[in-house]
Amino acid sequence: ETAVFQTPNYHVTQVGNEVSFNCKQTLGHDTMYWYKQDSKKLLKIMFSYNNKQLIVNETVPRRFSPQSSDKAHLNLRIKSVEPEDSAVYLCASSPGLGGYEQYFGPGTRLTVL
Amino acid sequence: GEQVEQLPSILRVQEGSSASINCSYEDSASNYFPWYKQEPGENPKLIIDIRSNMERKQIQELIVLLDKKAKRFSLHITDTQPGDSAMYFCAASRSGGSNYKLTFGKGTLLTVTP
Repeated sequence: ETAVFQTPNYHVTQVGNEVSFNCKQTLGHDTMYWYKQDSKKLLKIMFSYNNKQLIVNETVPRRFSPQSSDKAHLNLRIKSVEPEDSAVYLCASSPGLGGYEQYFGPGTRLTVL
Repeated sequence: GEQVEQLPSILRVQEGSSASINCSYEDSASNYFPWYKQEPGENPKLIIDIRSNMERKQIQELIVLLDKKAKRFSLHITDTQPGDSAMYFCAASRSGGSNYKLTFGKGTLLTVTP
């Protein structure tokens, strides 16, 4: 049963364009995340958002920015996409920070031409 | 930050045998160790986790062992079935704190052959 929703499922765009991905969770969780999963299936945390506090993975390029209107929504904007941004972007949520199961959404597959 | 090493990257076993995946971590403050299973085209799902106050946990055919001194933990799948074929990720984190981050291993592709 899906409780973390992501749109779109797929997105194809060209280098330099701006893209936005949406994520919504209906679990009542306090914490949301964005992960990047590359073609080798490596899973890397990009952002954590908890109680209006943003925790950024220091390796994330500045063209990536999360946007949250409330604790049930965490969107991801990429200002000017690069070819290396092609990946699956997974949104997740958990009841809180640390030591909790994370529930993942279905992912958004981004292809940058 | 935390680094998690996971081996092997590819594992092929025969149906009915056991499969073992090993992970090691660096941060001695890590106290939560989940395992996620990701089937092709699907999102990762938690299958079992263990906290630092335990050394062993079992859920049906899944066994997780934690050795805090050696900073190693492992997943053992007994009596494997074709449905166990998937990517498996170990992860480690410390609870709470502003610098909380769940660090994943690189994954193990498990194939169970009939």
